[in-house]
Parts: sequence; C-alpha cells; structure tokens
Amino acid sequence: EPEVTQTPSHQVTQMGQEVILRCVPISNHLYFYWYRQILGQKVEFLVSFYNNEISEKSEIFDDQFSVERPDGSNFTLKIRSTKLEDSAMYFCASSDDRPNTTTYEQYFGPGTRLTVT
Amino acid sequence: DQQVKQNSPSLSVQEGRISILNCDYTNSMFDYFLWYKKYPAEGPTFLISISSIKDKNEDGRFTVFLNKSAKHLSLHIVPSQPGDSAVYFCAASAFWGGSEKLVFGKGTKLTVNP
Repeated sequence: EPEVTQTPSHQVTQMGQEVILRCVPISNHLYFYWYRQILGQKVEFLVSFYNNEISEKSEIFDDQFSVERPDGSNFTLKIRSTKLEDSAMYFCASSDDRPNTTTYEQYFGPGTRLTVT
Repeated sequence: DQQVKQNSPSLSVQEGRISILNCDYTNSMFDYFLWYKKYPAEGPTFLISISSIKDKNEDGRFTVFLNKSAKHLSLHIVPSQPGDSAVYFCAASAFWGGSEKLVFGKGTKLTVNP
C-alpha cells in the first residue's frame, strides 16, 4: 500500500543551525503539506503546496521556513535558523487531486522528531 | 482559536462494546471532516472522512455521523477492540472554500479494555 515516508526519524540540532526535513509523498498525489505537533499540543498546519508553489501557509510559517519540491518525488521543509521553540514532531502529508463529492483524504507520514538544543 | 473541539480528553470502553468519539466545530465553511488514529511518536493514520453534504459514512467497524445544524460529528467504532486503543483526532477542511489545510482538534484518548 502506498505511503508517505519521512527522513530522518529524529534530528537533533543546535539553536541557530539550518535543518532540512525530507518527505516522499505518495507518488500520484498532487497536494503536499507540512504540519507540526509540539509535545502535548494539537497538530498544527504549517504550509500547503500545489502545482509547484505554496498555496496556503499559517502564521507559524515565517521567513525562517521554506519548502521545495526539488525533483519529482521529494518534498522538503527547511528551517533556516532553528529556535528552541521549533522542537516538535513534523509531519508531511499528501492528498490526491481535488476531493470527490463524498470523501477527502490526507495521508500522513510517520514524522520527524526535531530537537533543538 | 478552537474551530474544532474534542471536549473529552479520554474515553474508556469494554472490548466488544461501542466507542463513541465526539467532535464539535464552529466554522460553517468546513466541507470535509476527517478522523485519524494516532499512536505516540507515529504519524496520524487516516480512518474515515465525510463530506458536509452527507450525514453518515460507514467503513467496516467505523461510522461517522454528521449533524450540520448542530455543528457536531461523531465516530462510532463497533465492536471496539483492544487494538483500537489510541488517540483519535477529528480534523476539518474548508477545501472548496479555498483552504485545503486540516484544522485539528486536541484529540481523545481511547482505551479499550479486554
């Protein structure tokens, strides 16, 4: 069964360093997303990406964040200068084309645990 | 900004009985509602979804009911199994309103006792 994959599973970095989180969405999907979950809090939307551009972003997704689809399979999230408060689980998700009249599905990867020290 | 609310942080049921997980929302622009199951340190696993034009969707042991006038939905799991023990998240999207992002509730931890 197709699935979203993410690497690495755990990333430890020092404050101020750049990190790149990688995702391989489901191959025929067209919409790509990043979410995060800070420990003990709800899953929060960061950004959505469609047709090679950002379609929506949250207020969390400031100038320190960027996304890229460098080739036909990978989708990356870069944090330029990490802060302590960026420590969280980061989830990539993907979805097929527009939802049909009755259902809508977004599939999530296993997540990358980012620890900023 | 709690557009999606799951007011019960936990629920405990006996194996074989019905589990009912509830979710309320405030944004009338939401047009799809999704349920996810999540284990610690794993990603959310999609379970079932429903469009706002329907009031019920069923998939095996999982049924989601939507009451648009009350802005309320529920996930029924029948019969409940110990393997169903996890945190369940309700999420909503206003896709046709121009926002495909999911807005999540805080989750309900379900424990199914053997």
